[in-house]
Amino acid sequence: RKEVEQDPGPFNVPEGATVAFNCTYSNSASQSFFWYRQDCRKEPKLLMSVYSSGNEDGRFTAQLNRASQYISLLIRDSKLSDSATYLCVVNMAPRNQGGKLIFGQGTELSVKP
Amino acid sequence: DADVTQTPRNRITKTGKRIMLECSQTKGHDRMYWYRQDPGLGLQLIYYSFDVKDINKGEISDGYSVSRQAQAKFSLSLESAIPNQTALYFCATSDYGDTQYFGPGTRLTVL
Repeated sequence: RKEVEQDPGPFNVPEGATVAFNCTYSNSASQSFFWYRQDCRKEPKLLMSVYSSGNEDGRFTAQLNRASQYISLLIRDSKLSDSATYLCVVNMAPRNQGGKLIFGQGTELSVKP
Repeated sequence: DADVTQTPRNRITKTGKRIMLECSQTKGHDRMYWYRQDPGLGLQLIYYSFDVKDINKGEISDGYSVSRQAQAKFSLSLESAIPNQTALYFCATSDYGDTQYFGPGTRLTVL
């Protein structure tokens, strides 16, 4: 079983649609959780951290379920500019041990006019 | 100017050649990382360094070595490149938090 596993893509949606990405992780001791965005052939960039209480940033909502070892990202009112690959990232080590980030394989999103 | 830079951005080389990829950062971070990314796979950690005197192996260190020349510089070497090392290589930095900041990547092709 992969340590971090994401929905296989690609997701093709029309502008304005709501789209949800799911991710599961295998290590119950994982400390922190993130969604990164990666545009084609470019570097990953932090989109948002994921907290147990859930968090929202504009059109983006991230949720964490520690009991089920499940993370989600919801994008509302999707824009053409949201087209990218979304990476689920889990920190398997405590912060003072350096942040061993494990990346999922990514889910590609394509938003069409 | 970019906070994390990588050179070269693209490189084509032949099997058996020695290659060095360089990473520099102006963020003042102590922690630096090297990853590779293959199509359809997540980023895999090759090596990481918490400070100038600290080097640690990641998931896939075989065939690679690193050098932390200064706080701001972290180089990755392929002593004898082979075709399955063809990939996109990223350098990243972080402070004592979790967020990592990535360089623009180096696309390496080994023929």
